[in-house]
Amino acid sequence: DAMVIQNPRYQVTQFGKPVTLSCSQTLNHNVMYWYQQKSSQAPKLLFHYYDKDFNNEADTPDNFQSRRPNTSFCFLDIRSPGLGDAAMYLCATSREGKGGEAFFGQGTRLTVV
Amino acid sequence: AQKVTQAQTEISVVEKEDVTLDCVYETRDTTYYLFWYKQPPSGELVFLIRRNSFDEQNEISGRYSWNFQKSTSSFNFTITASQVVDSAVYFCALSGFYGQNFVFGPGTRLSVLP
Repeated sequence: DAMVIQNPRYQVTQFGKPVTLSCSQTLNHNVMYWYQQKSSQAPKLLFHYYDKDFNNEADTPDNFQSRRPNTSFCFLDIRSPGLGDAAMYLCATSREGKGGEAFFGQGTRLTVV
Repeated sequence: AQKVTQAQTEISVVEKEDVTLDCVYETRDTTYYLFWYKQPPSGELVFLIRRNSFDEQNEISGRYSWNFQKSTSSFNFTITASQVVDSAVYFCALSGFYGQNFVFGPGTRLSVLP
């Protein structure tokens, strides 16, 4: 029944070693988001796709990149993870023209060692 | 830029008390959507309600009710007869009509004590 699926649920990576987080959706939604949520903080929008149009938030570090090869999949690439990048990463989707009620995945908790 | 403010960082109430969580937003869009999400200790964000900017009717769903006032840019959330299971962080959020610029407020941590 899961509609937004994030893999893996837990990811441990080494300092400076590239890592990719994945998200897939079965909802056929136009909009996909990546959020970073650190402990006791609100989710912070990193970027979103409206179809294939990529929209980067102004304060998203260059270390974070994203790819959306098709409607169903979206990837978050962290090129050189630092200790400060340890967080929960949330993927979400919403429908065009609906002010998207956003459907969230369960998140991937990233640990950087 | 869009912004959501939740002035209450933490609230503690005793079970069965009513509690209101405040949300104030800023946007230049004429059409937008407002949301409330719940994040229990398990971590998953749970959708509670969406309200579009054209609809200022208040809504009630069981013990939950929402008061949307465009004139004061507020979208407050009230839990009646709170229960321990209501303990969570509650986020108010705002997006544009096409789902763009979906931003969360800082959240209010609600603790309901038995």
